[in-house]
Amino acid sequence: SQQGEEDPQALSIQEGENATMNCSYKTSINNLQWYRQNSGRGLVHLILIRSNEREKHSGRLRVTLDTSKKSSSLLITASRAADTASYFCATDTQGGSEKLVFGKGTKLTVNP
Amino acid sequence: GAVVSQHPSRVICKSGTSVKIECRSLDFQATTMFWYRQFPKQSLMLMATSNEGSKATYEQGVEKDKFLINHASLTLSTLTVTSAHPEDSSFYICRAGGGRDQPQHFGDGTRLSIL
Repeated sequence: SQQGEEDPQALSIQEGENATMNCSYKTSINNLQWYRQNSGRGLVHLILIRSNEREKHSGRLRVTLDTSKKSSSLLITASRAADTASYFCATDTQGGSEKLVFGKGTKLTVNP
Repeated sequence: GAVVSQHPSRVICKSGTSVKIECRSLDFQATTMFWYRQFPKQSLMLMATSNEGSKATYEQGVEKDKFLINHASLTLSTLTVTSAHPEDSSFYICRAGGGRDQPQHFGDGTRLSIL
């Protein structure tokens, strides 16, 4: 089954810096979603971007989508220690049944 | 507040025990719920799709007799790990379908440890 690939697998930055995570996927999609997971917890929805959208913002988050390259990026600006978590992209494939296929995730550590 | 409640959050039990995990949608009806499994430092792998009033649909490689799913109402789906063994130890997470092009709601997960 299709699965997204995030890179980098791990990212360590200082507070105040920006963090960029990338996601690639293989098949046509309806939308792509980014989620955050704190250690040992469930997933929290961050942003959903539809296949006909190219960029979306939410607070300090910016997501881009390039369907020609089958890739997306998540930018967190002015990072905080509280942003430390794992971030996953998930794709809702065209013609699918609401299944979400998750990427491998990026472990982000923001050092105070 | 949480819109999906998953219980229990943690289970530790002996090999051979069957364990039931509940997933409830709190403020909405969910005709479809999804069960995922997550190994340490890995991504979520879809195990099965739970359909209210009908049989669950299992992903390839997932034993339906091992992981019993019941979706008896529009707000409750249960996953029972039957005769659990140490290799079944994992983090199990449910998701309630919020509809296409909508944010999805996840439970807080269940950490299952089989001794």
